[in-house]
Amino acid sequence: KQEVTQIPAALSVPEGENLVLNCSFTDSAIYNLQWFRQDPGKGLTSLLLIQSSQREQTSGRLNASLDKSSGRSTLYIAASQPGDSATYLCAVKRGQAGTALIFGKGTTLSVSS
Amino acid sequence: GAVVSQHPSWVICKSGTSVKIECRSLDFQATTMFWYRQFPKQSLMLMATSNEGSKATYEQGVEKDKFLINHASLTLSTLTVTSAHPEDSSFYICSATSSRAQDTQYFGPGTRLTVL
Repeated sequence: KQEVTQIPAALSVPEGENLVLNCSFTDSAIYNLQWFRQDPGKGLTSLLLIQSSQREQTSGRLNASLDKSSGRSTLYIAASQPGDSATYLCAVKRGQAGTALIFGKGTTLSVSS
Repeated sequence: GAVVSQHPSWVICKSGTSVKIECRSLDFQATTMFWYRQFPKQSLMLMATSNEGSKATYEQGVEKDKFLINHASLTLSTLTVTSAHPEDSSFYICSATSSRAQDTQYFGPGTRLTVL
């Protein structure tokens, strides 16, 4: 059974710092991995999607890497801002079309000004 | 871009009553819809997968007679929580995939259910 773990559970940093969020999964046979952002009481915003054949994806100040063989992914946030404060969720897709995502519990990030 | 809506965004009901939550794909046809549940400070847990025109597939531990899912059209799926109890209070989120982009799930904004 696939399990997704995110470390740390919570993180507080001052504005401007670079930071790394970690995600690990137990079964390396994934189709893709996705990072989401969730604001309190809200739905999900997709940040980055990495296919199983890819090593990394970048969008603005965000960079996500994937090491499928070791079951790990990292989300790197450069020059953090207070607006980055949210919960970041990592999710893996079990298979191709029509299969659901398996989520980690998330890392709650707080960026202070 | 693809948009998924949910209605209502929040609902409060009395214990023992039934509540229906709607999930709609606004600008695409959703061949598959997923229902997730999220308890406070927990992750999203898949409840069921529903394909248009067929019965939903429920995850282990999810009571299909309590959580009724109907996916009658390519743009609408409904989740009915029957005989709701306080422990059913949670954040329910749906997602949908289109036939053209089956790798991508589009998430709705979620429905907050509180059972008194």
